[in-house]
Amino acid sequence: KAGVTQTPRYLIKTRGQQVTLSCSPISGHRSVSWYQQTPGQGLQFLFEYFSETQRNKGNFPGRFSGRQFSNSRSEMNVSTLELGDSALYLCASSPAADQLADTQYFGPGTRLTVL
Amino acid sequence: EDQVTQSPEALRLQEGESSSLNCSYTVSGLRGLFWYRQDPGKGPEFLFTLYSAGEEKEKERLKATLTKKESFLHITAPKPEDSATYLCAVQAGGSYIPTFGRGTSLIVHP
Repeated sequence: KAGVTQTPRYLIKTRGQQVTLSCSPISGHRSVSWYQQTPGQGLQFLFEYFSETQRNKGNFPGRFSGRQFSNSRSEMNVSTLELGDSALYLCASSPAADQLADTQYFGPGTRLTVL
Repeated sequence: EDQVTQSPEALRLQEGESSSLNCSYTVSGLRGLFWYRQDPGKGPEFLFTLYSAGEEKEKERLKATLTKKESFLHITAPKPEDSATYLCAVQAGGSYIPTFGRGTSLIVHP
């Protein structure tokens, strides 16, 4: 069974630009969560989508947004990039409807660098 | 606010030298405490879930335990392939949003 895939794997942008990251969950998984990982803050939850609806949202500004398509694939968008947005963005998919973290399978991440 | 603190930040061991990693938490109404392993360039990989104080889980050289304030990940006779960053996370109260610690970077020398 194929794992969670994320594209692109690496991305370089400049301040003020916007970026869209993509995540394809494991086949059959309906929940997709997004996380930001930085050396300073660690792993922080961005949001979670289940059946195309945002079910949970972390404490991030409105510049960070996401969506989920009917095939469960998900995208996250960051507008007006700031230097502090440089991070590893991780996507995790889960088959469960019960929202427990132990059913999550993480992708390899997208490394975003903002110059 | 939920707090999760991991210690030490980094740990170097010789192969075969057993040790423990700590994850202390301050939450109301623990729903679950989770341990993950993360290798460089990869996403975290789930290891264990602990739900209540006194619970223990084992997998190969790893054993996770839980008290009302902290969890330990015991590594017995580690091998170089155990080198990774170990993360713990909690879900608590009415929120399903996981709070992660910053991790412990473990290096096991042959």
